[in-house]
Amino acid sequence: EAGVAQSPRYKIIEKRQSVAFWCNPISGHATLYWYQQILGQGPKLLIQFQNNGVVDDSQLPKDRFSAERLKGVDSTLKIQPAKLEDSAVYLCASSPTGGEQFFGPGTRLTVL
Amino acid sequence: QKEVEQNSGPLSVPEGAIASLNCTYSDRGSQSFFWYRQYSGKSPELIMFIYSNGDKEDGRFTAQLNKASQYVSLLIRDSQPSDSATYLCAVNINQFYFGTGTSLTVIP
Repeated sequence: EAGVAQSPRYKIIEKRQSVAFWCNPISGHATLYWYQQILGQGPKLLIQFQNNGVVDDSQLPKDRFSAERLKGVDSTLKIQPAKLEDSAVYLCASSPTGGEQFFGPGTRLTVL
Repeated sequence: QKEVEQNSGPLSVPEGAIASLNCTYSDRGSQSFFWYRQYSGKSPELIMFIYSNGDKEDGRFTAQLNKASQYVSLLIRDSQPSDSATYLCAVNINQFYFGTGTSLTVIP
């Protein structure tokens, strides 16, 4: 069974630029999550989707971050404009039940 | 108070010993609890989950949940150098909250 796919794996941008991340969950997993993990910290939930609907986006900085999950499969997370403090690893995870989660390899973002 | 708290460590144990990792959480209504292992530069991988009070064993790993005291622990028996990693506790409190992780080093 293929795992969660994410791309790109690394991204370096200047502050105020925009960036987008892509995630393809495990086949059949209805729940998809985006997390931000800053070095030395645990993952912080940004948004949770159930199929193509948003379950929770209370910690998503909506002035600059947006996410969508069209057709209930792939998802994209966008940051526009990026700030220095957005430098982090962005993790996508999926779950068959909304319980145990399986993480992708992550995208390491550096904002200069 | 943070939703999920862990001792950041580092915790060092000799090879073959038992490693004990602890996690406390703030919401008595929490229903599901997870332990993840994260190697440096890698993404978290699920070790085990527990929903009911008591112990749950899976190989060398045992998760212990005490809802009255609001803590969940992970015991690693016969620790191996390959167990050296950061261990993340996650709790579903209306949404998923992760602790900051405990760094474990198993000394050969």
